[in-house]
Amino acid sequence: SQQGEEDPQALSIQEGENATMNCSYKTSINNLQWYRQNSGRGLVHLILIRSNEREKHSGRLRVTLDTSKKSSSLLITASRAADTASYFCATPQGGSQGNLIFGKGTKLSVKP
Amino acid sequence: GAGVSQSPSNKVTEKGKDVELRCDPISGHTALYWYRQSLGQGLEFLIYFQGNSAPDKSGLPSDRFSAERTGGSVSTLTIQRTQQEDSAVYLCASSSPRQGNTEAFFGQGTRLTVV
Repeated sequence: SQQGEEDPQALSIQEGENATMNCSYKTSINNLQWYRQNSGRGLVHLILIRSNEREKHSGRLRVTLDTSKKSSSLLITASRAADTASYFCATPQGGSQGNLIFGKGTKLSVKP
Repeated sequence: GAGVSQSPSNKVTEKGKDVELRCDPISGHTALYWYRQSLGQGLEFLIYFQGNSAPDKSGLPSDRFSAERTGGSVSTLTIQRTQQEDSAVYLCASSSPRQGNTEAFFGQGTRLTVV
């Protein structure tokens, strides 16, 4: 079963705009991770937020985590055409060392 | 190697044949994961290895699917009597306990087409 569920399923914006993607999960977590996938092949790790953190930044990325609502959001500021990709959240089951369960992803399209 | 390596990158097979997909994780990574991704869909978890043992194989879709890992390194995913619904990209990832299993590194996947 899917642990994380992202929304929206698809998002289309203009270059320069901000993109916000959300992820909800079901069980308690140790950390939550966001990944990016280009062209349906390998995923690349973007950022990890631990359960005791509420917000984290990395470049143009900002991630928030609300453990009371079991949800996280990924914000990409000042988007670029190169940000076009699918974005997935993932949570490890069974603490920090369990198998990683991924959501279904948000397909982001940034138009130049 | 520098990254996770999967082979072959593409495989076309006839329905009913067996296939073997290989994954070479990053050296020293004890955790290894297999996922399946159908076109335009999310990642479907198949199996997870910690060392040579598989604490969670709950995602394997049927008894036609099996996986093994030897020497805490290379893993092979075997699909017997392939069906057309097995067509997908099969992704492998590995992670390191020294990093708290925090970040998974992915291979480029094997695109399997069953005709």
